[in-house]
Amino acid sequence: DAKTTQPNSMESNEEEPVHLPCNHSTISGTDYIHWYRQLPSQGPEYVIHGLTSNVNNRMASLAIAEDRKSSTLILHRATLRDAAVYYCILLFNYGQNFVFGPGTRLSVLP
Amino acid sequence: NAGVTQTPKFQVLKTGQSMTLQCAQDMNHNSMYWYRQDPGMGLRLIYYSASEGTTDKGEVPNGYNVSRLNKREFSLRLESAAPSQTSVYFCASSKRLAGTEQFFGPGTRLTVL
Repeated sequence: DAKTTQPNSMESNEEEPVHLPCNHSTISGTDYIHWYRQLPSQGPEYVIHGLTSNVNNRMASLAIAEDRKSSTLILHRATLRDAAVYYCILLFNYGQNFVFGPGTRLSVLP
Repeated sequence: NAGVTQTPKFQVLKTGQSMTLQCAQDMNHNSMYWYRQDPGMGLRLIYYSASEGTTDKGEVPNGYNVSRLNKREFSLRLESAAPSQTSVYFCASSKRLAGTEQFFGPGTRLTVL
């Protein structure tokens, strides 16, 4: 099964950009790359997803490498409310075998 | 528009007891999911339902059963609870499988003594 690897933790200063990396070297052509985040004591929250092209929404940007073996979630201006665990997930085989890894715990310093 | 709701929020069971976790969504989504999250870990998929009338096993289905009662509701049953099933359980829904956003409920914190 295709898996993702992310750093265990990262730190950022408030109001600075944050780049959260994710490696998925065994990704297949039909796998979507999804990012979710989980605030303490809450369910995960969707952030962004993409297939091949870079994507932007009001929360973040997703940069996907040309070979699709890695991606980067970009928070343009971190706030204290962005402190959370961020999960990079591949949704493959048309929905079977959803796999959440341990994610990256982002700390935002005031 | 409540999104995804789960009941109960908290539950304590004794080993061997049974219970059903309820989940409902009001977004007219086709697909629904049950996950568990152990302390300090990511989520693991227990079962999912691609559409009304279908259910499939996920990564960790042993010890659980599910019912897709209708398009809105997807329940998770523990027939004989074990301490290893102590976890936080999340229900989620999406318009369809893969490529679409999943919406999560607030979770049920289950302790099995």
